[in-house]
Amino acid sequence: SAVISQKPSRDICQRGTSLTIQCQVDSQVTMMFWYRQQPGQSLTLIATANQGSEATYESGFVIDKFPISRPNLTFSTLTVSNMSPEDSSIYLCSGNVDRGDIQYFGAGTRLSVL
Amino acid sequence: QKEVEQNSGPLSVPEGAIASLNCTYSDRGSQSFFWYRQYSGKSPELIMSIYSNGDKEDGRFTAQLNKASQYVSLLIRDSQPSDSATYLCAGFSGYALNFGKGTSLLVTP
Repeated sequence: SAVISQKPSRDICQRGTSLTIQCQVDSQVTMMFWYRQQPGQSLTLIATANQGSEATYESGFVIDKFPISRPNLTFSTLTVSNMSPEDSSIYLCSGNVDRGDIQYFGAGTRLSVL
Repeated sequence: QKEVEQNSGPLSVPEGAIASLNCTYSDRGSQSFFWYRQYSGKSPELIMSIYSNGDKEDGRFTAQLNKASQYVSLLIRDSQPSDSATYLCAGFSGYALNFGKGTSLLVTP
């Protein structure tokens, strides 16, 4: 298994500002993933981050809005840019360890945009 | 569209009973399946994985997979109030997990 530390755990932000979420894994992982979870909904994959290459974004998500960095095999950041109230959600990072298909999750970042 | 379908519930069972959670998937290319438990306000926690047809048991949990029917289930024996949570089914195909919307389970004392 893996321990994934994510911060901040929550934040309240003003419209038009940006927030960077950090995700640290206690072991090297090949791929890290960023999800969004709206209240009462399931997880929606935003993008997949590999070390040394640009992130791969899912349909409906773009790099200008959600830039991602992956400087090494244990760390990644997601920035939510130019925020609006519609960006209020829980953002989760995960990494795959052991087998490539098993993912462990960070505790999540609860974002509220006013 | 790679969809994973779950009944949203809530599924209510009395303490000590067997809770049965079901999931269907559309992508026949999905190779492995996972059940995550998510308590309110918390992140998903992996509780079971299953890769081949049949049953896999781990303590009070049994996962079942039927690839021909594209069906995955999770049985929780001797359900406890602490099992009350949302259970997410996920299938892996390619590089990512596809999650269902989750089934809310309520175990009543």
